[in-house]
Amino acid sequence: GAVVSQHPSRVICKSGTSVKIECRSLDFQATTMFWYRQFPKKSLMLMATSNEGSKATYEQGVEKDKFLINHASLTLSTLTVTSAHPEDSSFYICSARDGDSQETQYFGPGTRLLVL
Amino acid sequence: AQKVTQAQTEISVVEKEDVTLDCVYETRDTTYYLFWYKQPPSGELVFLIRRNSFDEQNEISGRYSWNFQKSTSSFNFTITASQVVDSAVYFCFMDSNYQLIWGAGTKLIIKP
Repeated sequence: GAVVSQHPSRVICKSGTSVKIECRSLDFQATTMFWYRQFPKKSLMLMATSNEGSKATYEQGVEKDKFLINHASLTLSTLTVTSAHPEDSSFYICSARDGDSQETQYFGPGTRLLVL
Repeated sequence: AQKVTQAQTEISVVEKEDVTLDCVYETRDTTYYLFWYKQPPSGELVFLIRRNSFDEQNEISGRYSWNFQKSTSSFNFTITASQVVDSAVYFCFMDSNYQLIWGAGTKLIIKP
C-alpha cells in the first residue's frame, strides 16, 4: 500500500529556533497534502491543506507566518515552525491524497516536537 | 453542518469481552467516505477501514467488524474477543466533499 514518511520523527529544539518537518509520499504522487496538529489526549486538528505548486490554505486560527508550508513537488511537503516556542510543542502529522485516486488519504507516522 | 461524533470518551473492558465503538456523522453530501483509524500509544495512525457512502455492506476483518447504517448516520466499530493489544485511541473520520472531519476519539482500555 501507499506509504507516507515524515522526518524527523522526534525533534527537540530551543525556543526561538525554526524547525522543518518533511512529509514525503513514497510510491505515489500526492497532489494534495494535509498538515495536522494533535495536542495530548485530543483529536487531530487540521492546520492547512497544501496543493502542489500553489499556496497552502490555512484553517482559521492557524498563523500562516508561524507555520510555513511548502509543497514544492508531488512527493514532498514541508512544514516549518518558525521561531518555535514551548506552546508549539505538539505532535504533527501529515497526510497525502493520491493524485490518481482522490478517494483515500494516507497518513505519515507523525513528528513529535518539543520546544524547550 | 458536517460533524463526526464519538460520544464515548473512554471505554474500559476486560480482555476477551466484545466492545463497540460508536460513530455518528452528519453531512449533506451524498458522496462521502468514512474511516476508522487506530492510534496506539506510540502515536502513529493505523488505517483500519474506509467506506464510501454508496457501500452499506457491513465488513468483517478478523476480530474487527463495522456496521454502516445510513438510516441512522452511524458507522460503528466492534472488536470481538478484545485483547490487550487493542488498547488505543480510535478515531472515526469523514472525508466529505474534501472537507475533513475527525471525531474526538474514543480511548479504549483493555484490561488483562
